[in-house]
Amino acid sequence: NAGVTQTPKFQVLKTGQSMTLQCAQDMNHEYMSWYRQDPGMGLRLIHYSVGAGITDQGEVPNGYNVSRSTTEDFPHRLLSAAPSQTSVYFCASFSGTGLLSGNTIYFGEGSWLTVV
Amino acid sequence: KQEVTQIPAALSVPEGENLVLNCSFTDSAIYNLQWFRQDPGKGLTSLLLIQSSQREQTSGRLNASLDKSSGRSTLYIAASQPGDSATYLCAVRLSWGNMLTFGGGTRLMVKP
Repeated sequence: NAGVTQTPKFQVLKTGQSMTLQCAQDMNHEYMSWYRQDPGMGLRLIHYSVGAGITDQGEVPNGYNVSRSTTEDFPHRLLSAAPSQTSVYFCASFSGTGLLSGNTIYFGEGSWLTVV
Repeated sequence: KQEVTQIPAALSVPEGENLVLNCSFTDSAIYNLQWFRQDPGKGLTSLLLIQSSQREQTSGRLNASLDKSSGRSTLYIAASQPGDSATYLCAVRLSWGNMLTFGGGTRLMVKP
């Protein structure tokens, strides 16, 4: 059971480039989300999904795109990278059911992105 | 809009001390509250989750309490150890299916 797997761990992009951060979970969780973490600002929600085929915007969605074609995968795309998108990105998932799980949310290890 | 605040932002204590980390939130209609630990360069690890109907949860040396009416939660760490050094974050979920709103975290340093 791998949990939540994110790739890549580190990436340097030039302004204007695009890239996709991959996220996969093997726990059959319905809910998946992407956060960014910036110094002094905690984690902020970018996009989330409540199931395959359904996505919605969070607090800071501009400049990003997501899709959810399967339950397991939730790729996150930077459309045209800007220096303001330099951040640490976390993917997370949790189950909408399961009293035993207590709906605990599980995080990936993070992706460190630098835009120059 | 739900806002979550954690005080203090940083804390340094000698080993063995009991300590309390604070988390406050503006909207008391929460579904649950969760405390996380984050080590440098790592993701978040869930420590304790308190459902809205619960008052506290305990795991080993950790005890988390929840007072919905006052919009507060505390994380109590007993007999702190250098291995407890990390950033501790609290997060609340407002309703079923909504994602989490995080506080800014408390960076804890336990000195040997």
